[in-house]
Amino acid sequence: GAVVSQHPSRVICKSGTSVKIECRSLDFQATTMFWYRQFPKKSLMLMATSNEGSKATYEQGVEKDKFLINHASLTLSTLTVTSAHPEDSSFYICSARSGTSGRAGELFFGEGSRLTVL
Amino acid sequence: TQLLEQSPQFLSIQEGENLTVYCNSSSVFSSLQWYRQEPGEGPVLLVTVVTGGEVKKLKRLTFQFGDARKDSSLHITAAQPGDTGLYLCAGLNTGNQFYFGTGTSLTVIP
Repeated sequence: GAVVSQHPSRVICKSGTSVKIECRSLDFQATTMFWYRQFPKKSLMLMATSNEGSKATYEQGVEKDKFLINHASLTLSTLTVTSAHPEDSSFYICSARSGTSGRAGELFFGEGSRLTVL
Repeated sequence: TQLLEQSPQFLSIQEGENLTVYCNSSSVFSSLQWYRQEPGEGPVLLVTVVTGGEVKKLKRLTFQFGDARKDSSLHITAAQPGDTGLYLCAGLNTGNQFYFGTGTSLTVIP
């Protein structure tokens, strides 16, 4: 089946540094990728929607300069948390939407990335 | 922004009991999905409903999509401890954005 790989699964960094999280679709072309943030025992909050080759669409309240999203190819999107602070610590999950005929619109999720900022 | 409200937020029941989780919105969704998530993992898709009024069954789980495609429900019959988890509804809106509901944390006590 289709697989979305997210890396790293866990990352610990110092306050003020930047962290990049990768989201790859392994066996299909992802025309759209979504990035979510999740707090403990809470639901997934949509941060931004990214389409290959164009700028990401950010949800209200999400700082685009702090959470940089790049969707450079049909199989890779990256989320960079810039100048991370302890309040950025969270579980970040990506999902990819297939544009392949026969599976169009189907959504697949990465395993998530646990970010801890010290 | 969370356009989908789930109720109840928390639910703790005894093994063998039945339960229903509701997912409501004022927005229309072209499709709606239900997921189950374990701590530290990504959500796992249970079902997708597309047609208003659609009912789908998955073993002891019954899913229904409202006629107006604004709401959905998940009914579990004879709950088991293995059903414990965070249940999330999620919808694809007409703007091609995919939003999750507020979530329902279910605990089934043996």
